Amino acid sequence: AAGVIQSPRHLIKEKRETATLKCYPIPRHDTVYWYQQGPGQDPQFLISFYEKMQSDKGSIPDRFSAQQFSDYHSELNMSSLELGDSALYFCASSLAGANTGELFFGEGSRLTVL
Amino acid sequence: AQKITQTQPGMFVQEKEAVTLDCTYDTSDQSYGLFWYKQPSSGEMIFLIYQGSYDEQNATEGRYSLNFQKARKSANLVISASQLGDSAMYFCAMREGRWVDSNYQLIWGAGTKLIIKP
Repeated sequence: AAGVIQSPRHLIKEKRETATLKCYPIPRHDTVYWYQQGPGQDPQFLISFYEKMQSDKGSIPDRFSAQQFSDYHSELNMSSLELGDSALYFCASSLAGANTGELFFGEGSRLTVL
Repeated sequence: AQKITQTQPGMFVQEKEAVTLDCTYDTSDQSYGLFWYKQPSSGEMIFLIYQGSYDEQNATEGRYSLNFQKARKSANLVISASQLGDSAMYFCAMREGRWVDSNYQLIWGAGTKLIIKP
């Protein structure tokens, strides 16, 4: 079965550079979430989209932006990168109204800022 | 106040033994869902088991079962016959609100690092 696809899996950037992470949700899933997980920490919710509209916003810095496109894929854009942005970035998808509301996670994109 | 509390930062368990990972939660919602996820060292987040607040029976999925004690607000994960491949971080998470809502943001615990010894 198709899972959530994230790209790139690994990314190395310098301070003040920009980075874009992509997420392709499971087909027919209408909700996409972005999470940031620092080393040794639990995932922190950044932002979510339902039917291409932003549905909730968490601890996403102003330097970050995200959107969901007409094909339901989502992109997380990060600018003016800081050392503290080094983390594992997860995308997850779900189907609104599904019985359990389970979030299906991608394998994550590991961003390292030097 | 912490909404999800996992009191065991780390655990060592002998292979083939059963292990219980603790999770307590705090919510005033009547409808909520509880999840356990496994995160191996490779980093991916793997769904293990789900318990809805209105489910009367404890959830089970293969070697995983969830010991749901609603009055005590606890949702412990039990892994029977542990295997070396079970070594990973385990996160307890909660979704508040009705499942029909479109926003399924999860609230996460700090995780428990489980190491299975051969």
